[in-house]
Amino acid sequence: EDKVVQSPLSLVVHEGDTVTLNCSYEVTNFRSLLWYKQEKKAPTFLFMLTSSGIEKKSGRLSSILDKKELFSILNITATQTGDSAVYLCAVGGGSYIPTFGRGTSLIVHP
Amino acid sequence: KAGVTQTPRYLIKTRGQQVTLSCSPISGHRSVSWYQQTPGQGLQFLFEYFSETQRNKGNFPGRFSGRQFSNSRSEMNVSTLELGDSALYLCASSERGDGEGTQYFGPGTRLTVL
Repeated sequence: EDKVVQSPLSLVVHEGDTVTLNCSYEVTNFRSLLWYKQEKKAPTFLFMLTSSGIEKKSGRLSSILDKKELFSILNITATQTGDSAVYLCAVGGGSYIPTFGRGTSLIVHP
Repeated sequence: KAGVTQTPRYLIKTRGQQVTLSCSPISGHRSVSWYQQTPGQGLQFLFEYFSETQRNKGNFPGRFSGRQFSNSRSEMNVSTLELGDSALYLCASSERGDGEGTQYFGPGTRLTVL
């Protein structure tokens, strides 16, 4: 059975801090790993990673995948209150069904 | 391009009733997946349709069913509702839906079962 584990489950920081969110996985025939941000609505897409060691960046957010150690990290630098959300990691495997982690709840205080 | 739309946005039903939720994917997307999201279980996969065929199914009872039409719009039906079916039901569309591409989520239907 495919498995995705995110850590930490929750995180409380102050504006300006840098945070690192973790996602480890066990899937058969890995295809891709995706990060989503979910506020009080539907998840919105952040990154899709398929190759090891290639960092993807979007503004203050960046992510990298390690296919040998089976994990990914999502970094957010200079956090803002608008970054407060649940961050979801999903892995697409050979079963064609994306498996989601439980998410990391990030709260950024002003 | 318009995003994924779901109707209705909110629904209140009583135990034993049935409900039908609708999802219109992004134009050109042929894959539609349905998820149930609850505080206790997180996001759980229900099923995926591609070109009118159910391609994958999650671990949910037979009370949960769905279908996809030729225009890629999809409906999900839950019969004999139980209290535990109260959840946010999310629909997501993608071009290929093979676990490789990006899924774009709709706003969800919040179902409350009393």
